[in-house]
Amino acid sequence: GAVVSQHPSRVICKSGTSVKIECRSLDFQATTMFWYRQFPKQSLMLMATSNEGSKATYEQGVEKDKFLINHASLTLSTLTVTSAHPEDSSFYICSASGQTGYEQYFGPGTRLTVT
Amino acid sequence: AQSVTQLGSHVSVSEGALVLLRCNYSSSVPPYLFWYVQYPNQGLQLLLKYTTGATLVKGINGFEAEFKKSETSFHLTKPSAHMSDAAEYFCAVTGPSGTYKYIFGTGTRLKVLA
Repeated sequence: GAVVSQHPSRVICKSGTSVKIECRSLDFQATTMFWYRQFPKQSLMLMATSNEGSKATYEQGVEKDKFLINHASLTLSTLTVTSAHPEDSSFYICSASGQTGYEQYFGPGTRLTVT
Repeated sequence: AQSVTQLGSHVSVSEGALVLLRCNYSSSVPPYLFWYVQYPNQGLQLLLKYTTGATLVKGINGFEAEFKKSETSFHLTKPSAHMSDAAEYFCAVTGPSGTYKYIFGTGTRLKVLA
């Protein structure tokens, strides 16, 4: 149980375009979803927290207009990187928490490369 | 405020030797503590967690950790390292503070020598 999927696993896009990453909880209802960014050989950096039907709460320093988060249902959250640039290239990981509230279940990650 | 410190960004052990990865935390609320393992280009896999109750926690793949409140530590151990244990390990803390945001340590890369 408690499986989280992400799609796509890898994406390459051209500079200036937008790319959407999906995060789904497959077998539970996710009241809260989290989006992280991970640079090579570094830890996870929390970008934002979203609750179903509410606006996402962004961490300090994260551009909300660049990283659009939509948590439209209890099983789906999306992260859209708008007008992507090479510096946005990174590994993006989502997680979801359910009934326990405190435990997060992590997706397998999405490798974004902007050329 | 919460924080996590992982001492040693790189740890090398011989196959069959004891694995000890250190994690110290600070928290103003009762901490919930986690250890995760990450293999290259993959997400995080939960090894074990402490919330309440027994302070010695056993996890998957032979790992265990002990919550020591007096030392604010949650070190991860495994009696005998296996080559497949080579990976990145992250300690994380959260607690009953509303959103349950995780605070991650900087990670420890474990290398297992043949």
